[in-house]
Amino acid sequence: GEDVEQSLFLSVREGDSSVINCTYTDSSSTYLYWYKQEPGAGLQLLTYIFSNMDMKQDQRLTVLLNKKDKHLSLRIADTQTGDSAIYFCAEANAGNNRKLIWGLGTSLAVNP
Amino acid sequence: NAGVTQTPKFRVLKTGQSMTLLCAQDMNHEYMYWYRQDPGMGLRLIHYSVGEGTTAKGEVPDGYNVSRLKKQNFLLGLESAAPSQTSVYFCASSYSGTNEQFFGPGTRLTVL
Repeated sequence: GEDVEQSLFLSVREGDSSVINCTYTDSSSTYLYWYKQEPGAGLQLLTYIFSNMDMKQDQRLTVLLNKKDKHLSLRIADTQTGDSAIYFCAEANAGNNRKLIWGLGTSLAVNP
Repeated sequence: NAGVTQTPKFRVLKTGQSMTLLCAQDMNHEYMYWYRQDPGMGLRLIHYSVGEGTTAKGEVPDGYNVSRLKKQNFLLGLESAAPSQTSVYFCASSYSGTNEQFFGPGTRLTVL
């Protein structure tokens, strides 16, 4: 079945760039998403990319999509301590895009 | 707009007790979802609904029932709670198109 994989942890220094990676298996994905979860809170959509795009930029966030390798990345420029959170990658399946396939989340720690 | 709200925020049950979790959204979204989140397991879909009066099973439906009598509400019921149902429960809603899901703040449930 479809699967989404992410590394579980990432640690960066404040001010550096963070790159969180995600791989997926479904070649018919329509949308791919990045969500952020702060401690004790629900998930918030950060950004999404349509599968016919290869890059999307939104302020400090850059999403890169490599459809050939089924690889999605989220780059956070000038990472701040407030960016410490869990970041989830998810994809919408073309066959049933009412459900999302979720990665397990990458815990980002930003050190001062 | 309140977005997605969940009631209650916290609950402690004894094994065998029943309870209902309420999710409400004021965005006129067609689709609603119940997830559980456990350490190391990511988000797992329990049940979802694609419209008023309809429900469908997700990947972990056993031990739970749901109802969507009104478009804005999605109820999750536990008929006979078990310690394995100790978790954080999230409700989400979305509209057709990008299927961006909006999450509630979560309900932390402990079953003793």
